[in-house]
Formats: sequence, structure tokens, C-alpha cells
Amino acid sequence: AQSVAQPEDQVNVAEGNPLTVKCTYSVSGNPYLFWYVQYPNRGLQFLLKYITGDNLVKGSYGFEAEFNKSQTSFHLKKPSALVSDSALYFCAVTTDRGSTLGRLYFGRGTQLTVWP
Amino acid sequence: NAGVTQTPKFQVLKTGQSMTLQCAQDMNHNSMYWYRQDPGMGLRLIYYSASEGTTDKGEVPNGYNVSRLNKREFSLRLESAAPSQTSVYFCASSYRARDQETQYFGPGTRLLVL
Repeated sequence: AQSVAQPEDQVNVAEGNPLTVKCTYSVSGNPYLFWYVQYPNRGLQFLLKYITGDNLVKGSYGFEAEFNKSQTSFHLKKPSALVSDSALYFCAVTTDRGSTLGRLYFGRGTQLTVWP
Repeated sequence: NAGVTQTPKFQVLKTGQSMTLQCAQDMNHNSMYWYRQDPGMGLRLIYYSASEGTTDKGEVPNGYNVSRLNKREFSLRLESAAPSQTSVYFCASSYRARDQETQYFGPGTRLLVL
């Protein structure tokens, strides 16, 4: 079965400091990994995805994520956090194996708070 | 382009009442999805439609029905609402129901069942 774990419910960081939001996954087959962000009372916005190729993926708003196959991880990072980055972040995975037809499996979400 | 739109934004129902959540996309996407979001549980797939004319069950389909009205529209119906269906419902779409495709989400419908 496919699954995603976001081990931290909350991450707190000071503005200007680097931030990391962790994600690990379990799939059968090749993983395709996504990060989404949700601002209060809004839908999910796509940030970035890993399909194949370079393990470091760059996305919107200065975010990037590193795919690590041996550690089955896809951590979201940003070199310098902004207060406006405060939101709920979701990691999701799908796979090329089986009949999932693009079904995404989501983690439980990590609430990021950036303090001024 | 409006992207993915959902109506209503908020709804209160009494147990046993029925309602239909509407979703439309203007991105010419073939595939559409309904998810529910509950605190601490992430998003879970209710139903999806890989293409016009097809629908399939997701992870939590019980108590729901769907209709893919045309390529643009995908509705979710609660025939007899229960308090356990209190949740935030998101519609999403993608160009194809394939593993590499990005899904784009609507703003959500907040449903409270009393």
C-alpha cells in the first residue's frame, strides 16, 4: 500500500532562518512526489513535484525539495523563511505501479509557523 | 481562467438531508477528483473520474455518489447526510489520470451536518 508520513505536526522557525518540512513515503513502484501548500480557508496550491531526473527540485515561492531514494524521503526546504510562508503543508505521493490512475496519497500535513 | 470552482462555499445540513456539491473546471482537464479533508488526517479520495463518462470509487466512497455531467463538471451528492460527513470537501482536476500529472484544487466546501 502507498503511504506518506509527515512526522512533524508543527514546525516553528524564525524569519530569515532556513526551514525544513519533512516527508517520507512508502510505495510499490516508482514514486512521484508532490508538495502542496494550504493557506487558511483556501484550497491546496501546488508547489513542486518530483517525477524523474535531478534529485533537487525547485518550485514556487523559493521552495525546493530533495528526493532521496535510499532514505525514501522528500523534504521541503527554503533557505530563508518569510512570515508569509506560514501555512499548512502537505506532501503527497503516487506511483506508476498498479491501477491507481493518478490517485494521490496525502500526508497528514505540517503546520509551518514563521515568527517575525 | 477561473481554474477549479466549487459551490457552495459553506453549507449546514441536518442529519438525513441531502445535497449536491458542485465542481467545475475550465482548464480542459480530462480527470476530476473529490477529496475530503479532516483535521489530522490529510486529504482522502472519495471518488474520481478519469475521463468523461467514467467514475470510480476512491478510499472513502460510502455515503456518497458522483456524476460526471460533462467534461467540465463533476458533482458530489450526499443522499442522507450524517454527522460523520462533516468535513471540508475539495474538488481537483488534472489533464489526465496519470501518475505524473499535477492536480489542481478548488477552494473547498465546508459542510457541517448537525
